[in-house]
Amino acid sequence: EAQVTQNPRYLITVTGKKLTVTCSQNMNHEYMSWYRQDPGLGLRQIYYSMNVEVTDKGDVPEGYKVSRKEKRNFPLILESPSPNQTSLYFCASSFRGSTGELFFGEGSRLTVL
Amino acid sequence: AQSVAQPEDQVNVAEGNPLTVKCTYSVSGNPYLFWYVQYPNRGLQFLLKYITGDNLVKGSYGFEAEFNKSQTSFHLKKPSALVSDSALYFCAVRDMGKAYGGSQGNLIFGKGTKLSVKP
Repeated sequence: EAQVTQNPRYLITVTGKKLTVTCSQNMNHEYMSWYRQDPGLGLRQIYYSMNVEVTDKGDVPEGYKVSRKEKRNFPLILESPSPNQTSLYFCASSFRGSTGELFFGEGSRLTVL
Repeated sequence: AQSVAQPEDQVNVAEGNPLTVKCTYSVSGNPYLFWYVQYPNRGLQFLLKYITGDNLVKGSYGFEAEFNKSQTSFHLKKPSALVSDSALYFCAVRDMGKAYGGSQGNLIFGKGTKLSVKP
């Protein structure tokens, strides 16, 4: 089954404790992206990647890091989480040549205390 | 800069009645427009898109959207709403400012409209 898998789905952590949210897709997609969803703000892009070893900042990259060492994986790293990073996070992927249809993961709800 | 607006935070409809979820856009050049749906505790799912051609686009689950260039709108419609259509709906436009060699560009999402269909 074609899917984008995120882990963990739910996480409560404390300020400053490094964490990683993993994202993996099994569709051989070149393009992957991370979004955060906040009430009243919709989806905002954090980082994206056009292919292996190619990443770029989205609209709200501060406090986040990403890596793309393999085509299928695109982890989101919070080196020192803060309460304003409490949010619902989505990973998405698509073929590079597609006309915009993104495949989304189920989401990861992060709470930073 | 490209942008998309969903003027209604919430739309309430009775089951069986037609529904419309509004979206307006601002882009330079020809727009690539999309609708996505998010059911509770799920990720977003693609519904339909407009790239070029017929202004009326048909998509999944009986939804359709009408592209209106003069009004810069791309409203989502369904002739007869179902309770199971209750969800959060997002309009999106491709950010042509981040296109790569003419191919993939990122999507800019609206803030979402919550659709509530009552029996």
